Amino acid sequence: NAGVTQTPKFQVLKTGQSMTLQCAQDMNHEYMSWYRQDPGMGLRLIHYSVGAGITDQGEVPNGYNVSRSTTEDFPLRLLSAAPSQTSVYFCASSYKYGSHQPQHFGDGTRLSIL
Amino acid sequence: QQPVQSPQAVILREGEDAVINCSSSKALYSVHWYRQKHGEAPVFLMILLKGGEQKGHEKISASFNEKKQQSSLYLTASQLSYSGTYFCGTENTSGTYKYIFGTGTRLKVLA
Repeated sequence: NAGVTQTPKFQVLKTGQSMTLQCAQDMNHEYMSWYRQDPGMGLRLIHYSVGAGITDQGEVPNGYNVSRSTTEDFPLRLLSAAPSQTSVYFCASSYKYGSHQPQHFGDGTRLSIL
Repeated sequence: QQPVQSPQAVILREGEDAVINCSSSKALYSVHWYRQKHGEAPVFLMILLKGGEQKGHEKISASFNEKKQQSSLYLTASQLSYSGTYFCGTENTSGTYKYIFGTGTRLKVLA
């Protein structure tokens, strides 16, 4: 099983550029989420989805968009990259919110905005 | 809104014990604990459920106080492999579906 796959692993962007971080899972999980990790701030929730066609904002959604057209895929779009978005981004999935099942994480995307 | 973890960092010698605390301002449905090694993704350790059910992991155990909205992770007879950053993750009962992580505790075990 591949689990949760994130691409790319590394990316450097210039301020103002846009890009999409890809996330795919092959476990038929309903719940998927995006986090950013910055030193000393833990994992902060950007957006999440409880199923195909349903997304909602997390704690730090500004500057990011998501969509969930299929159960498997949950891409994260940076609309106009800013240096403050330099971070490590993790995608995670779990069977269902409240199901007492763990979150499975991808390996992360390390993003630098110049 | 993030759960607050304490301490922020701790240094141990092999064989010593440690306690990591996680405190939330929201009523919790469950608390999950994860460990992250440097440069890697977080890895699930265990889950604590409302009602007291607990799942353990080797010499690592945890408790969940629903009334205080707190959870504690107990590491017994620490090993070098326990080094890393520990996060609590919370599912709350407020009607949203936000899976929120704590601020993290960096743990270093020395030989």
